[in-house]
Amino acid sequence: AQSVAQPEDQVNVAEGNPLTVKCTYSVSGNPYLFWYVQYPNRGLQFLLKYITGDNLVKGSYGFEAEFNKSQTSFHLKKPSALVSDSALYFCAVRDGGYSTLTFGKGTMLLVSP
Amino acid sequence: GAGVSQSPSNKVTEKGKDVELRCDPISGHTALYWYRQSLGQGLEFLIYFQGNSAPDKSGLPSDRFSAERTGGSVSTLTIQRTQQEDSAVYLCASSLLGSLDEQYFGPGTRLTVT
Repeated sequence: AQSVAQPEDQVNVAEGNPLTVKCTYSVSGNPYLFWYVQYPNRGLQFLLKYITGDNLVKGSYGFEAEFNKSQTSFHLKKPSALVSDSALYFCAVRDGGYSTLTFGKGTMLLVSP
Repeated sequence: GAGVSQSPSNKVTEKGKDVELRCDPISGHTALYWYRQSLGQGLEFLIYFQGNSAPDKSGLPSDRFSAERTGGSVSTLTIQRTQQEDSAVYLCASSLLGSLDEQYFGPGTRLTVT
């Protein structure tokens, strides 16, 4: 089975501060990991993915995520948050033996001015 | 180029009626996915198409739900005898080859069952 957990329903951060949105996963094989973002009144958009290779993955809008196999985590990070980063963030995982992604329940990121 | 489109954008129906939701994927994308988004439930996978075949329909919640894809393009999700718990936003996504590729999502159909 494959599953993903986003332990925080909401993350609050002040503009200019670093942000972290947490994600942990459970798979039986090698994981493929993804982050998607849903801005208000807009569709879901791809941010970044880890398939293989370097554990630090860089994506759109200055976001990055670090794959940590020992902690089974794939936390999303950004060095300096913007108010425009406020959105709903989804982590997703796919086990090599599956053909589809399992998404987490989402974390609402609120960046205050 | 054109993105994924879905119709209708909003649908209000009475309990017990059947509804059809349509998805037009990006041209050339072989993989198509249906998801359901409910408040507090995140994104729930329903069914996956590769071409016209559905190798994974494990997420369909009951036999009232069915989907088809024709010509390797347009897909229709049908919900029979709708129930109030079917109220949600139904999202369609497509990707070039499979789920390791970036998925492009449509704007969704908001279904309300009264």
